Amino acid sequence: KQEVTQIPAALSVPEGENLVLNCSFTDSAIYNLQWFRQDPGKGLTSLLLIQSSQREQTSGRLNASLDKSSGRSTLYIAASQPGDSATYLCAVHSGGGADGLTFGKGTHLIIQP
Amino acid sequence: DGGITQSPKYLFRKEGQNVTLSCEQNLNHDAMYWYRQDPGQGLRLIYYSQIVNDFQKGDIAEGYSVSREKKESFPLTVTSAQKNPTAFYLCDSSIGRNSGNTIYFGEGSWLTVV
Repeated sequence: KQEVTQIPAALSVPEGENLVLNCSFTDSAIYNLQWFRQDPGKGLTSLLLIQSSQREQTSGRLNASLDKSSGRSTLYIAASQPGDSATYLCAVHSGGGADGLTFGKGTHLIIQP
Repeated sequence: DGGITQSPKYLFRKEGQNVTLSCEQNLNHDAMYWYRQDPGQGLRLIYYSQIVNDFQKGDIAEGYSVSREKKESFPLTVTSAQKNPTAFYLCDSSIGRNSGNTIYFGEGSWLTVV
């Protein structure tokens, strides 16, 4: 059974810093991995989707990498801003099972002004 | 604009009562899903539907029921059999999971037992 772990569970950094969020998964046989942002009491917003054949995806100040063989993905946020404060979740699509998506518990990020 | 809408945002349920959460999308997506999210936890799949008039149980379907009579709508009923229903409920839609397309989530519904 696929398991997804996100470390750290919470992170607080000063504005302007570059930071890295980590996501690891136990079964490397995946179709894709997606990073989401969740604001308090809100739904999830898709940030980046990386197919299993890709190594990274970029959108603005965000860069997500995927190392399928080691079961790891990172989300890099450059020049962090207070508006980046949210919970970031990664989800792995492994196929099989009910819908093949397994979510991590998220990293709660606070950017201090 | 296209999107996915959940209602109500907040709902209170009395003991022994059934309540229904609405999820509507105008994205012309075939696949729709319901999740439950508890504080500090990841999402857990309740039910999903990959096409109209068909749906499947997820990992925690007990105490819940769904219908998919229209492509646009996938309502979730929380029955009195669900003993711990207080949670944040999220609905999503996509063209299909295997396509690797972006998943779109609604804004969620908070359900509280009173």
